[in-house]
Amino acid sequence: EAQVTQNPRYLITVTGKKLTVTCSQNMNHEYMSWYRQDPGLGLRQIYYSMNVEVTDKGDVPEGYKVSRKEKRNFPLILESPSPNQTSLYFCASSPGLAGRYYNEQFFGPGTRLTVL
Amino acid sequence: GENVEQHPSTLSVQEGDSAVIKCTYSDSASNYFPWYKQELGKGPQLIIDIRSNVGEKKDQRIAVTLNKTAKHFSLHITETQPEDSAVYFCAASWATGRRALTFGSGTRLQVQP
Repeated sequence: EAQVTQNPRYLITVTGKKLTVTCSQNMNHEYMSWYRQDPGLGLRQIYYSMNVEVTDKGDVPEGYKVSRKEKRNFPLILESPSPNQTSLYFCASSPGLAGRYYNEQFFGPGTRLTVL
Repeated sequence: GENVEQHPSTLSVQEGDSAVIKCTYSDSASNYFPWYKQELGKGPQLIIDIRSNVGEKKDQRIAVTLNKTAKHFSLHITETQPEDSAVYFCAASWATGRRALTFGSGTRLQVQP
C-alpha cells in the first residue's frame, strides 16, 4: 500500500531532551516536507526537501533540523525541544515536477508532540 | 509570502443540503489550489484541486471554482452526507521552488442527520 508513515504517533517529552520523529514514504517520491498544525493557524511548513541531500527552510524552521540521506526517509529532529513546539506534526511527500505543475502532496497520519 | 484566509470556521448543515467554503489568497503568482479533508486522528487527504488555467472543476458531489481576478476560490459540496463531516482546508501554492502549501485555518463541517 502506498503510504507515508510517521513514528512515533504520540510523544510526551520534557524541555531540552533531544528527539527525532521519523518519516518514511514507499512511493519513490522526490519531494518531502514537514508541517506543523496548530489550532486556528492551519498547517505551516517547517522544512522541505526537493531530493536526496537537498533540504531547505520553510516558514517556521526555528528549533528544527532535518536530513535527507535516503530518498524514502526524512526525519525531523528537535535538538532542544521547548513547550512552544508542542503541536501536531505532519510529514508529506510528492512526486517530482510534471511539466509546469507539481502533484498532490500525500500526508502521513501525524505525530502529536507534547513538550513539558 | 502567501496568505490564505478561509471562511467560515465552522459550518453546520442538514443532511442533503449544500455546503460552501470560501478562501481568498494574496499572492497572484499562486497557481495551484488544492482542498484537503481531515478526519479525526488522520492526516489531510486531497479531495479536489484546481490549477490556475481552469475556472471550475467537478468530481461527483464536490466542485471547486476559482476566480483569479478576485483571488478567491470556493469548495461546494452538494447532497451532503454524515460522512462528509470533517475539517476542510484550502491551500494555495506555486509550481516551482519549495512548493509549500499555504493552508487556510480550516472549516469544521458538521452534517446533521
